[in-house]
Amino acid sequence: DAKTTQPPSMDCAEGRAANLPCNHSTISGNEYVYWYRQIHSQGPQYIIHGLKNNETNEMASLIITEDRKSSTLILPHATLRDTAVYYCIVRVAGQNDYKLSFGAGTTVTVRA
Amino acid sequence: DGGITQSPKYLFRKEGQNVTLSCEQNLNHDAMYWYRQDPGQGLRLIYYSQIVNDFQKGDIAEGYSVSREKKESFPLTVTSAQKNPTAFYLCASSIRLLSTDTQYFGPGTRLTVL
Repeated sequence: DAKTTQPPSMDCAEGRAANLPCNHSTISGNEYVYWYRQIHSQGPQYIIHGLKNNETNEMASLIITEDRKSSTLILPHATLRDTAVYYCIVRVAGQNDYKLSFGAGTTVTVRA
Repeated sequence: DGGITQSPKYLFRKEGQNVTLSCEQNLNHDAMYWYRQDPGQGLRLIYYSQIVNDFQKGDIAEGYSVSREKKESFPLTVTSAQKNPTAFYLCASSIRLLSTDTQYFGPGTRLTVL
């Protein structure tokens, strides 16, 4: 899987949009971008994924650049409960590699 | 409400004892997984199962055992042979065993060996 790079931490004001960047410059054509988050002492939570088109669901939006070398996860109205570690990973379609592995992620702190 | 449940949330065990962690899902998923997460570290795959009565070792299966007698259940036994069992254990499931099928996680069980 392609390597991803995320900033180690970021702060966000409650009620504002949080924009979380992820760099995946070596991504290949059949690799999807996935985002998970993990609130302290809880299991990881799936947020969203995409291949090349922008995606939106009830939790977030995922914006993937045209060259697919980077993406941004947008939490439109951050709340205190969005404080968590956010992980950006890439997954290759069709491979027999089922295990998920997270890097260090971005620790997001939402402040009142 | 569909999802994955794990019990108990916290578990304490004396050295030399076996202990079984429960994982149940009502998502009708075929594939299930057990991961271990240590403080400040990522996920490590212990076992996974593609379908009922089938399971495979992951990267760190030594000292662990599993069973998959029912589609919705995938219990993990931490045996006394596991040298360093204190960790946060996570169960996950996906529709199928495909690399791009989204894995959904349970809330985790924190095991402490005294």
